[in-house]
Amino acid sequence: AQSVAQPEDQVNVAEGNPLTVKCTYSVSGNPYLFWYVQYPNRGLQFLLKYITGDNLVKGSYGFEAEFNKSQTSFHLKKPSALVSDSALYFCAVTNYGQNFVFGPGTRLSVLP
Amino acid sequence: KAGVTQTPRYLIKTRGQQVTLSCSPISGHRSVSWYQQTPGQGLQFLFEYFSETQRNKGNFPGRFSGRQFSNSRSEMNVSTLELGDSALYLCASSPTRDTLGYEQYFGPGTRLTVT
Repeated sequence: AQSVAQPEDQVNVAEGNPLTVKCTYSVSGNPYLFWYVQYPNRGLQFLLKYITGDNLVKGSYGFEAEFNKSQTSFHLKKPSALVSDSALYFCAVTNYGQNFVFGPGTRLSVLP
Repeated sequence: KAGVTQTPRYLIKTRGQQVTLSCSPISGHRSVSWYQQTPGQGLQFLFEYFSETQRNKGNFPGRFSGRQFSNSRSEMNVSTLELGDSALYLCASSPTRDTLGYEQYFGPGTRLTVT
């Protein structure tokens, strides 16, 4: 069965500092990995995905993620955090023909 | 292109009642999935429809049901509402289920409160 872990419920970072939101996954076969962001009272918004190819994936709003097959991780990163990045972040995994499985979410707070 | 729309946005119901939520996917998208989001359980998959057929179903009781119409619009129904059904219900659409690595596009959700 597929599963996703986000080991940190909350991540706090100062504005301008780099941020990392961690994600590890378990799936049989090749994983398809996604990051979504949710702002208050809104649906989820797609940030980026890894399907195949380059392990470093670039997405919206300056976010990127690094796929590490040996560590089964897909950590979300941004070189310089903004206060407006404060939101709830979800990592998700799927495989061909399977439904999405989401992690529990990590609340990111960027402090001015 | 218009995004995924969900109606109504907010709903208050009483225990024992039933409720129907509606989702209109992005034009051209044929796959619609439903999720329940609660603070305690996070995002849980309810079911997925593709071309009017239910393709996958999550671990929810039979009180939760859904359907998809020929124009890809989808509805989900919850009968005999319980307090624990209070949640944000999210609908997501994607172009096709047969493309590797498709992402889902989410609607704003319907906030259901059961009293």
